[in-house]
Amino acid sequence: DAGVIQSPRHEVTEMGQEVTLRCKPISGHNSLFWYRQTMMRGLELLIYFNNNVPIDDSGMPEDRFSAKMPNASFSTLKIQPSEPRDSAVYFCASTPTSGNNEQFFGPGTRLTVL
Amino acid sequence: AQSVTQPDIHITVSEGASLELRCNYSYGATPYLFWYVQSPGQGLQLLLKYFSGDTLVQGIKGFEAEFKRSQSSFNLRKPSVHWSDAAEYFCAVGAFGDYKLSFGAGTTVTVRA
Repeated sequence: DAGVIQSPRHEVTEMGQEVTLRCKPISGHNSLFWYRQTMMRGLELLIYFNNNVPIDDSGMPEDRFSAKMPNASFSTLKIQPSEPRDSAVYFCASTPTSGNNEQFFGPGTRLTVL
Repeated sequence: AQSVTQPDIHITVSEGASLELRCNYSYGATPYLFWYVQSPGQGLQLLLKYFSGDTLVQGIKGFEAEFKRSQSSFNLRKPSVHWSDAAEYFCAVGAFGDYKLSFGAGTTVTVRA
């Protein structure tokens, strides 16, 4: 199994630009999570989907952030416009339907907003 | 809602020495408990998990953890640390029927020669 795939691995952009992060969950997994990790705030859950439907987006920091899951094998996290304080590592994780909560993490995308 | 506390932000241990990382959770029912490890520049990898049954759980890389309901704890241990164990360790708690996990703030482990 290829595991959770994220792209790009690194992204450097300028303030005000749109940023799109991509995630391919493990095949057969029905839940998908987006996290943000910073030194100051640690690991924060931004949003999670179950069967492609957003279930809880209470962690999305503000309207500049949006996430979609058009099908079971693809999700995006978009920041528009980006700001320097958005600089962080963004992780995607997926979980099978067994309900045992074990999450499988991708390698992350390191975002730097200048 | 469940929550996790990892009291130690940073631990330094000598190679070959034993390691214990503390984790306390808050949850009303029987929790699902996890330990993840994150090496520099990498994603989180599952070390071990507890759902039910035997309270001593064996994981990968020689790690084990013990669930103590009376103390609301799930401490991670390794008898002899290797330099490659230098990483950040996260404890997490979940609940049956809820797909979310609550993560602790993490403990950074430094291994000295």
